[in-house]
Amino acid sequence: KAGVTQTPRYLIKTRGQQVTLSCSPISGHRSVSWYQQTPGQGLQFLFEYFSETQRNKGNFPGRFSGRQFSNSRSEMNVSTLELGDSALYLCASSRSGRPNEQFFGPGTRLTVL
Amino acid sequence: GENVEQHPSTLSVQEGDSAVIKCTYSDSASNYFPWYKQELGKGPQLIIDIRSNVGEKKDQRIAVTLNKTAKHFSLHITETQPEDSAVYFCAASENTGNQFYFGTGTSLTVIP
Repeated sequence: KAGVTQTPRYLIKTRGQQVTLSCSPISGHRSVSWYQQTPGQGLQFLFEYFSETQRNKGNFPGRFSGRQFSNSRSEMNVSTLELGDSALYLCASSRSGRPNEQFFGPGTRLTVL
Repeated sequence: GENVEQHPSTLSVQEGDSAVIKCTYSDSASNYFPWYKQELGKGPQLIIDIRSNVGEKKDQRIAVTLNKTAKHFSLHITETQPEDSAVYFCAASENTGNQFYFGTGTSLTVIP
């Protein structure tokens, strides 16, 4: 069974730009969560989508948004990029919407210059 | 919201020795506690998890214990091997979805 895939793996943007990251969950998984990982703040929850609906949201500004499609694939968008948005963005999928085993993708490394 | 604390931040052990990593959580509603291993350049990988109705769970050289009263849980790795070297994260979640709160990580080094 294929694992969670994330594209692109690396991205370089400049301040003020916007970016869209993509995540394809494991087949049959309907829950997709996004996390930001930085050396200073660790792993921080961004949001979770389940059956195309945002189920939970972390404490991030409105510049961070996401969506989920009917095939469970998910995208997250960051608008008006800031230097502090440089991070590894991880996507995790789970079979159900309740706390369950989460399987992480390799992440997208975003660098904002 | 939930607050998960993890100790120690770094841990070095000799190959064959045991390693113990401890986490505490603040929200008594949390009921699912996974542990992840993250190697350089990779996403976190689930290695073991425990739910609040269980006090201990073991999988070969890895075990997790949970004390709900004290709100702490621990990861135990026995007979450590160099390939166990990685960053380990604990996490906690309650039954409202998959919003996980992570500890700050423990960098484990197993010295051959």
